[in-house]
Amino acid sequence: KAGVTQTPRYLIKTRGQQVTLSCSPISGHRSVSWYQQTPGQGLQFLFEYFSETQRNKGNFPGRFSGRQFSNSRSEMNVSTLELGDSALYLCASSLFASGNTDTQYFGPGTRLTVL
Amino acid sequence: AQSVTQLGSHVSVSEGALVLLRCNYSSSVPPYLFWYVQYPNQGLQLLLKYTTGATLVKGINGFEAEFKKSETSFHLTKPSAHMSDAAEYFCAVSLSGGYQKVTFGIGTKLQVIP
Repeated sequence: KAGVTQTPRYLIKTRGQQVTLSCSPISGHRSVSWYQQTPGQGLQFLFEYFSETQRNKGNFPGRFSGRQFSNSRSEMNVSTLELGDSALYLCASSLFASGNTDTQYFGPGTRLTVL
Repeated sequence: AQSVTQLGSHVSVSEGALVLLRCNYSSSVPPYLFWYVQYPNQGLQLLLKYTTGATLVKGINGFEAEFKKSETSFHLTKPSAHMSDAAEYFCAVSLSGGYQKVTFGIGTKLQVIP
């Protein structure tokens, strides 16, 4: 069974631009969560989608948004990029919503660099 | 609300020595606890998790962790370190029941010295 895939793997943008990252969960998984990983802040939860509905949201500004499609694929969008948005963005999928006993499986991440 | 504290952002052990990575949590309700490992330029891989039941949890690659409610701890151990264990390790917590986000610790980088 294929794992979680994220595209693109690497991305370079300039301040003020916007970016869209994509995540394809493991087949059959309905929950997708997004995390931002930086050296200073560690892993921070962005949001979680389950059956196309946002279930949880972390403490990030409204510039960060996401959505989930009927096939469970998810996208996250960051508008008006800032230097501080440079990070590794990780996507994780699970059968059920996080907090359940179900295991989250992580993708390899998208490395975003903002210049 | 829940939180996780990992003591020691960097830990060095000799090959063959005991690995002990510390994790303490705070939670208002019974937690689910996880340890993940991250190798360079890769995503996170689940090592083990505690949900309910037996407090000593065995995971992959010879790792295990013990849930100690009285100490609010979930330390990760491995009897004998291998060079391949060099990676970053994350402890995480989520609250039992319902839809809850997962909170991660800051991570501990494990260095294995030959």
